Amino acid sequence: KNQVEQSPQSLIILEGKNCTLQCNYTVSPFSNLRWYKQDTGRGPVSLTIMTFSENTKSNGRYTATLDADTKQSSLHITASQLSDSASYICVVSARGSQGNLIFGKGTKLSVKP
Amino acid sequence: DTAVSQTPKYLVTQMGNDKSIKCEQNLGHDTMYWYKQDSKKFLKIMFSYNNKELIINETVPNRFSPKSPDKAHLNLHINSLELGDSAVYFCASSHRGKYSPLHFGNGTRLTVT
Repeated sequence: KNQVEQSPQSLIILEGKNCTLQCNYTVSPFSNLRWYKQDTGRGPVSLTIMTFSENTKSNGRYTATLDADTKQSSLHITASQLSDSASYICVVSARGSQGNLIFGKGTKLSVKP
Repeated sequence: DTAVSQTPKYLVTQMGNDKSIKCEQNLGHDTMYWYKQDSKKFLKIMFSYNNKELIINETVPNRFSPKSPDKAHLNLHINSLELGDSAVYFCASSHRGKYSPLHFGNGTRLTVT
């Protein structure tokens, strides 16, 4: 069964600190992995998309890694800001049509001053 | 502003009623989607439309019907609303292509009483 598991479920950190969010998946055949940020009351916003051959991709203070062999990904946030408080959703695309996206439940990050 | 916009943002209605949610995108995308985010926060695809052609329909009750008058609009009609339909519904759009990111609207919170 295609699944995406994220950990931790929630995380509280102090402003300025770094953090890493984890994503494990069992989606097959694999096409690509995406990280989205969802602010409360808003729609998800794309942060990164990584294909099978990409190990790391950065978007500002966000750096995503992918290990396609172990089927794991991480999202590292550097020098966190209050505006980073949001849910971070890992999404894995199965090979095939665009609609074959499997969403994780998300990690709720709270950055405190 | 270029965006995916959906209306209304909040919708409260009684069981048995029929309601519609509208969605418009001015990003020039050729594919539009409807997602449902339930109380457990999982996002699940309901429909996608590509050039007025339905290409995905994931075991959604036939009380739900998408209507696409043109490439920039994908409305969601729901007949005979049930309590279990209460959720946040997100419209999204993208270019065709497996590596294209989804652009989401800010959601419509539907509450059925």
